[in-house]
Amino acid sequence: NAGVTQTPKFQVLKTGQSMTLQCAQDMNHEYMSWYRQDPGMGLRLIHYSVGAGITDQGEVPNGYNVSRSTTEDFPLRLLSAAPSQTSVYFCASSLHERGSYEQYFGPGTRLTVT
Amino acid sequence: GENVEQHPSTLSVQEGDSAVIKCTYSDSASNYFPWYKQELGKGPQLIIDIRSNVGEKKDQRIAVTLNKTAKHFSLHITETQPEDSAVYFCAASEDSWGKLQFGAGTQVVVTP
Repeated sequence: NAGVTQTPKFQVLKTGQSMTLQCAQDMNHEYMSWYRQDPGMGLRLIHYSVGAGITDQGEVPNGYNVSRSTTEDFPLRLLSAAPSQTSVYFCASSLHERGSYEQYFGPGTRLTVT
Repeated sequence: GENVEQHPSTLSVQEGDSAVIKCTYSDSASNYFPWYKQELGKGPQLIIDIRSNVGEKKDQRIAVTLNKTAKHFSLHITETQPEDSAVYFCAASEDSWGKLQFGAGTQVVVTP
């Protein structure tokens, strides 16, 4: 299993540009989520999905869109990039069987918006 | 919503000593408390977790304790080794789908 994969690893955008961060998992996990990590603030939940076709907002959803058409993929779209979206983005997935809630994180995408 | 505070923000320990990281949470409905370790350039990885019906859990050199009344939980690492150097995050969740609220993280440095 490759686990959780994210592309690209690094990205530089200009203010106003749009882009999609890709996330895929091959563990047949129902639950997938996107977090952003900023210095001194831990990880904050952007959006999450409990299964294909079902998504919901997390703590900091503004400026981001998600969709979940398949179990494997959960892309994150930046509609119009702003410098405040400069961050490291992590995708995570989990199975959520009784007694097991471990979230498996991808390696991250480092995004800089100029 | 839930708020998780984590202390200290940095922790330097000598190899072989113990390290303790403490977290407090605000929402009494939270019932799941994981700890993640993040090495440089990588995503966080679960090292231990505890549910609200358990007061303590151990796994080799690491242990977590939970005090529901005081709403705080702690990570204990004994006999620290250089490979324990990393950023550690505590988190809390109240729902079965595991929407985690993370603490700000603790940078642990183990010096030989």
